[in-house]
Amino acid sequence: NAGVTQTPKFQVLKTGQSMTLQCAQDMNHNSMYWYRQDPGMGLRLIYYSASEGTTDKGEVPNGYNVSRLNKREFSLRLESAAPSQTSVYFCASSLRGPTDTQYFGPGTRLTVL
Amino acid sequence: GESVGLHLPTLSVQEGDNSIINCAYSNSASDYFIWYKQESGKGPQFIIDIRSNMDKRQGQRVTVLLNKTVKHLSLQIAATQPGDSAVYFCAENIGINFNKFYFGSGTKLNVKP
Repeated sequence: NAGVTQTPKFQVLKTGQSMTLQCAQDMNHNSMYWYRQDPGMGLRLIYYSASEGTTDKGEVPNGYNVSRLNKREFSLRLESAAPSQTSVYFCASSLRGPTDTQYFGPGTRLTVL
Repeated sequence: GESVGLHLPTLSVQEGDNSIINCAYSNSASDYFIWYKQESGKGPQFIIDIRSNMDKRQGQRVTVLLNKTVKHLSLQIAATQPGDSAVYFCAENIGINFNKFYFGSGTKLNVKP
């Protein structure tokens, strides 16, 4: 069991470039989440997918899009990166809902110049 | 969003001592609380959770206390070990909603040998 995996681990973009962060889980979890973590701040929810085929906005969705490709994979896309999106991005999954334990991936450290 | 804060940004304890990490929350409608541990360069790891209908919950070497009257949450770690050195943060969930997770910024625990 690899748990939750994320790629890439590090990425540097120029303002205006686009990229997709990949996330996959092998625990047969129904729910998946994308968070960002900024220095000195708590995690903030960007988007979540309660089940395969559904996605919904979290606290800070602007500038991002997501795709729940199948039960295993949940990707996060930045269409036109901005310096304000410099952050560490974490993907997580849980078996059913918000009161089930969330398992986090190792994170992607993104810098936008 | 609602705020989840921590009283002490850094806590240093001697190996073998007990540690207490505190968290204040502001929304009396919060139903569910979680403590996470985050080691440097890694994703958050679930430690223990508690629902609002409980005052105390114990795990292995950890205890979470919930005081709803003053909206305060604490994590007690018994016999603190060097491997406990990490950032600890609490999170609250309001109304068992997917998109109502709010995370504190964290307390760094340093365990001195």
